[in-house]
Amino acid sequence: KAGVTQTPRYLIKTRGQQVTLSCSPISGHRSVSWYQQTPGQGLQFLFEYFSETQRNKGNFPGRFSGRQFSNSRSEMNVSTLELGDSALYLCASTPGDYNSPLHFGNGTRLTVT
Amino acid sequence: KQEVTQIPAALSVPEGENLVLNCSFTDSAIYNLQWFRQDPGKGLTSLLLIQSSQREQTSGRLNASLDKSSGRSTLYIAASQPGDSATYLCAVSPPSYGQNFVFGPGTRLSVLP
Repeated sequence: KAGVTQTPRYLIKTRGQQVTLSCSPISGHRSVSWYQQTPGQGLQFLFEYFSETQRNKGNFPGRFSGRQFSNSRSEMNVSTLELGDSALYLCASTPGDYNSPLHFGNGTRLTVT
Repeated sequence: KQEVTQIPAALSVPEGENLVLNCSFTDSAIYNLQWFRQDPGKGLTSLLLIQSSQREQTSGRLNASLDKSSGRSTLYIAASQPGDSATYLCAVSPPSYGQNFVFGPGTRLSVLP
């Protein structure tokens, strides 16, 4: 079974631009969560999508948004990039219940210059 | 607000030693707790998931315990190997049913041959 796939692996953007990251969950998984990982703040929850609906949202500004498609693939978008958005963005999938472990992708490393 | 801490921040041991990693959380109202490992530049790999009604889980050389009332979990690694070198993170999920896990900062483990 293929794991969680995130594309691209690396991105370099300049301040003010916007960026879209993609996540393909494990086949059959309907929940996709997004996390931001930085050296200073560690891993922080961004949002979770289940069956194309946002089920939970973390404490990030509205510049961070996401969506999920009918095939469970998910995208997150960051608009008006700031230097502080430089981070490793990780997505995780589960079947959708709350007793299954999170399966993470290898992340997208975003650098904002 | 839930906060998760991990002690120690870093640990270096010779191969073959048994070791314990600690995780503490401030709010005992959790749904479940997971332990992960993260290799440099990679995503997280789920090691063990303990539901709030359980006291421990075992997988191979790993054993995780949960004491919800005291807000503590431990990860025991038996007969450590160089391949166990990684950062180990614990995470707790809220009782409100969601994948919005709160992560600890991690323990960086080095097992020396």
